[in-house]
Amino acid sequence: GAGVSQSPSNKVTEKGKDVELRCDPISGHTALYWYRQSLGQGLEFLIYFQGNSAPDKSGLPSDRFSAERTGGSVSTLTIQRTQQEDSAVYLCASSFQLTSTDTQYFGPGTRLTVL
Amino acid sequence: GQQLNQSPQSMFIQEGEDVSMNCTSSSIFNTWLWYKQDPGEGPVLLIALYKAGELTSNGRLTAQFGITRKDSFLNISASIPSDVGIYFCAGLTRGSNYKLTFGKGTLLTVNP
Repeated sequence: GAGVSQSPSNKVTEKGKDVELRCDPISGHTALYWYRQSLGQGLEFLIYFQGNSAPDKSGLPSDRFSAERTGGSVSTLTIQRTQQEDSAVYLCASSFQLTSTDTQYFGPGTRLTVL
Repeated sequence: GQQLNQSPQSMFIQEGEDVSMNCTSSSIFNTWLWYKQDPGEGPVLLIALYKAGELTSNGRLTAQFGITRKDSFLNISASIPSDVGIYFCAGLTRGSNYKLTFGKGTLLTVNP
């Protein structure tokens, strides 16, 4: 497809379990971003990748969160030992390059519910 | 960190009416963006503003980059039912050219 895709679209998990969220960026886009959107809130920036590198991980909420990107394409966001406050929609975006004028195109998100 | 104050939180209008929403910040932003999000979808970019004082239109949408670099507004003219959704402002600050800061959104409902 032409757009950013994310999987799964919905994930329900039990507190304490680990989850992996996947993002397939637009082909050829070198920059990839993860955001979190809680109910009734704006988007909260989590992490970005330039190629396979994530130079700044300070936006991740806790050390239970990690992300990786392989082959300059697919990225996974992993949440270990999930907590109820992790429930949110996790959005991925990609852009052609890592610049202020390159539009970030968003995927449809993964809705995570932690019971 | 930077914060964007977006208002109003929600609006209920009649089809055909004009709409205005705005964002303000205590910090200076170098880029202002306006996104629309439909249910179950990711945000879609509507308008991008890169220079203070810039006024840009996209069809029935008009947005301006405030001269102080600390605010922006979005106007929608002659609203139609498909304008329904959540509108977000977002900004980029100097030195954080890739970290978008988002407002909390304006929920727009258009009654036909």
